Amino acid sequence: GAGVSQSPSNKVTEKGKDVELRCDPISGHTALYWYRQRLGQGLEFLIYFQGNSAPDKSGLPSDRFSAERTGESVSTLTIQRTQQEDSAVYLCASSLQGTQPQHFGDGTRLSIL
Amino acid sequence: GIQVEQSPPDLILQEGANSTLRCNFSDSVNNLQWFHQNPWGQLINLFYIPSGTKQNGRLSATTVATERYSLLYISSSQTTDSGVYFCAVSQGAQKLVFGQGTRLTINP
Repeated sequence: GAGVSQSPSNKVTEKGKDVELRCDPISGHTALYWYRQRLGQGLEFLIYFQGNSAPDKSGLPSDRFSAERTGESVSTLTIQRTQQEDSAVYLCASSLQGTQPQHFGDGTRLSIL
Repeated sequence: GIQVEQSPPDLILQEGANSTLRCNFSDSVNNLQWFHQNPWGQLINLFYIPSGTKQNGRLSATTVATERYSLLYISSSQTTDSGVYFCAVSQGAQKLVFGQGTRLTINP
């Protein structure tokens, strides 16, 4: 499809394990964003990639969270030593450029037992 | 940072009714988007509307940038309109800041 693709759609893991979430942006979109949505809440910004510029990591909640992006394609969000408060839906969005409308994937629902 | 407030937080209507959702923001923006999050959690783009008025079928939106608010209008509501409506704004090429949403329930 032509939309933002995220995998896995659901992930259940034990506290203390590491998890890796994947995002495939819309082809040609130079900007990529990760957000987190806790149950019943709005979305919180995590990290922003724009082309080859240094990413904006200002939303990452702790040093257990990291993200990478290869060029203008796939991004992975890694959470190390997961905690129960990390349970949330993690959404990825992409846009043509940073000032253009953002298009969201369906998210990864992460549950930490 | 910029603040986004949405009202009302909850809205319950009968099918066929009209509704107006409001989004206030605390500073100038160059991006404003309205989203519908359906019961399955998918975020659907409704409008990209940093200023002006747009219409798409039964939905329309107006943003008055100078007064820092936006309105989303839904006419002749259907049960499939149920869900949470989010307003989100950004300044420059930056993250979207989301409001807390309006939960709309349309009863048959």
